[in-house]
Amino acid sequence: KAGVTQTPRYLIKTRGQQVTLSCSPISGHRSVSWYQQTPGQGLQFLFEYFSETQRNKGNFPGRFSGRQFSNSRSEMNVSTLELGDSALYLCASSWGQGITGELFFGEGSRLTVL
Amino acid sequence: KNQVEQSPQSLIILEGKNCTLQCNYTVSPFSNLRWYKQDTGRGPVSLTIMTFSENTKSNGRYTATLDADTKQSSLHITASQLSDSASYICVVSGFREYGNKLVFGAGTILRVKS
Repeated sequence: KAGVTQTPRYLIKTRGQQVTLSCSPISGHRSVSWYQQTPGQGLQFLFEYFSETQRNKGNFPGRFSGRQFSNSRSEMNVSTLELGDSALYLCASSWGQGITGELFFGEGSRLTVL
Repeated sequence: KNQVEQSPQSLIILEGKNCTLQCNYTVSPFSNLRWYKQDTGRGPVSLTIMTFSENTKSNGRYTATLDADTKQSSLHITASQLSDSASYICVVSGFREYGNKLVFGAGTILRVKS
């Protein structure tokens, strides 16, 4: 059974640019959630999507957005990048809604903003 | 404020020894508590998930305990192996009006030496 796949694994951007990250969940999983991990702040919840609808949102500015497609694949976008956006972005999938069950994480997309 | 605090921040032990990691939380109302293992450069992997009514849960050499009254949890690792070197993250899920809220601890970095 294939795990959660995130692309790209590594990317470098400059301030002011935008970036789109992709996440393919485990087959059959309908919930995808996104997280930011930095050395200073640790893991922080960004948002959760279930059945193409955002169901839950963390405390991040509107520059961070996402969407989910009918096949449950999800993308997150960060616009007007800032140096502080440099982080490991992780997505996780689960079968049900509400992050109540077990989460299966991908390997992450490491973003460096110069 | 909903918080999850882990101790110690880092720990070095000899291979074959046991160790215990601590997690104290103030998240309320409480839904469940999870322990994740994260190898360097990889996504977190679930070790255990415990609900309010569960006191102990084991996964191989990993045993988690939960005291919902004192809002404390511990993760005990028995007969440590070099492959146990990783960051261990405690995550507490709390109910909120429109979905669950995940609060992450900062993690304990464990290094197992031969």
